[in-house]
Amino acid sequence: GQQLNQSPQSMFIQEGEDVSMNCTSSSIFNTWLWYKQDPGEGPVLLIALYKAGELTSNGRLTAQFGITRKDSFLNISASIPSDVGIYFCAGPPGAGGTSYGKLTFGQGTILTVHP
Amino acid sequence: GAVVSQHPSWVICKSGTSVKIECRSLDFQATTMFWYRQFPKQSLMLMATSNEGSKATYEQGVEKDKFLINHASLTLSTLTVTSAHPEDSSFYICSARRDIISPLHFGNGTRLTVT
Repeated sequence: GQQLNQSPQSMFIQEGEDVSMNCTSSSIFNTWLWYKQDPGEGPVLLIALYKAGELTSNGRLTAQFGITRKDSFLNISASIPSDVGIYFCAGPPGAGGTSYGKLTFGQGTILTVHP
Repeated sequence: GAVVSQHPSWVICKSGTSVKIECRSLDFQATTMFWYRQFPKQSLMLMATSNEGSKATYEQGVEKDKFLINHASLTLSTLTVTSAHPEDSSFYICSARRDIISPLHFGNGTRLTVT
């Protein structure tokens, strides 16, 4: 099936630094979703992208849907300690890509922010 | 606020017993809900799609007789892990969407430990 390759696997940064992570796929996705998961909790949706080339912001977070529809990145600016967690990219598999319930997830990026 | 509620948040059971996990959509009706499983330090993997009023559809490799799903109402889906074994210990997370074009929202997950 379709796979999402997410990198980096982990990041250790200082508070105030900017962060960038990305997700790539060998096949086209029609939707890209970025989630954050805190320990012991379910993922929380951060940003949803629906159009190739789309650039969307949510506070200090910015994500872009790659023009080829095979990649997406998430940037976090001026990181703070509460940004700590696991960030996942996700998308609905299949060429149609409208079945938003069945998501394929990337492997996750573990973010650690040192005060 | 939360749109999907899951209960219990954690459960410990003895090997051979069954455990039921509930998933509720809080302010919307969900004809479809999704059950995911997450092993430690791994990503989320879809187990099954819960369909209101009809049988659940299971992903390849997931035993339908072991993971019983009942979607009895438009706001409630239950997952029962039957005859649980230690290898079933995992983080089970349900999800639902408000409508066909909305992204998935996840519950807070249930940590199952089988001793």
